[in-house]
Amino acid sequence: QSVLSQPPSVSGTPGQRVTISCSGSNSNIGSNTVNWYQQLAGTAPTLLIYSYNRRPSGVPDRFSGSRSGTSASLAISGLQSEDEADYYCAAWDDNLSGYVFGAGTKVTVL
Amino acid sequence: EVQLVQSGPEVKKPGESLMISCETSGYSFTNYWVGWVRQMPGKGLEWVANICPGDSQTRYSRSFQGQVTISADKSISTAYLQWSSLKASDTAMYYCVRRATGSTTSDHWFDPWGQGTLVIVSS
Repeated sequence: QSVLSQPPSVSGTPGQRVTISCSGSNSNIGSNTVNWYQQLAGTAPTLLIYSYNRRPSGVPDRFSGSRSGTSASLAISGLQSEDEADYYCAAWDDNLSGYVFGAGTKVTVL
Repeated sequence: EVQLVQSGPEVKKPGESLMISCETSGYSFTNYWVGWVRQMPGKGLEWVANICPGDSQTRYSRSFQGQVTISADKSISTAYLQWSSLKASDTAMYYCVRRATGSTTSDHWFDPWGQGTLVIVSS
């Protein structure tokens, strides 16, 4: 069972806004920065959001991250078919002295 | 351009040893920690271990401590992950990652990722 909890799946229609939640605790999200990774089918993951809400160059501004207390969220606005992928939140956990990932959320574009 | 190029797929028998590699380029190898992430078939991502090539400091996930060994060769900018005795449960895709750090050591992320090395362990 993952230390960070994500919904298994979310779906939306093209153009819609969807959000993915990531629930943790004081030892991870509550005290350390959160990152998000995107994994398209059959490919290696790539960095999507780092340090809560910063986007690497090349990542569209449709993707945004936020944190409130011990939870974080990834929002995708203007959903597009190419956004269909698995999304993972991640953070350092002080109690485990390790980097932890959520179990992943599959985004489906209807 | 920063690149992490991993060694090819492996098919091994239980009990055999294995070392997979990650050749890096496009940046100063000794300035960034490098790590490995496991993804078992149909499952999520798990951090395995990190190494600082500059001084060979290592950090292991508690789940993988004693099960694998991470190492690096500064002379050829390459990191490794090795097993002394493989198990069927080691079957997975293994990704090499470069760790970048923000304002604090706990503020870090993995970017970029290698293409992955598929390890299959089967009798």
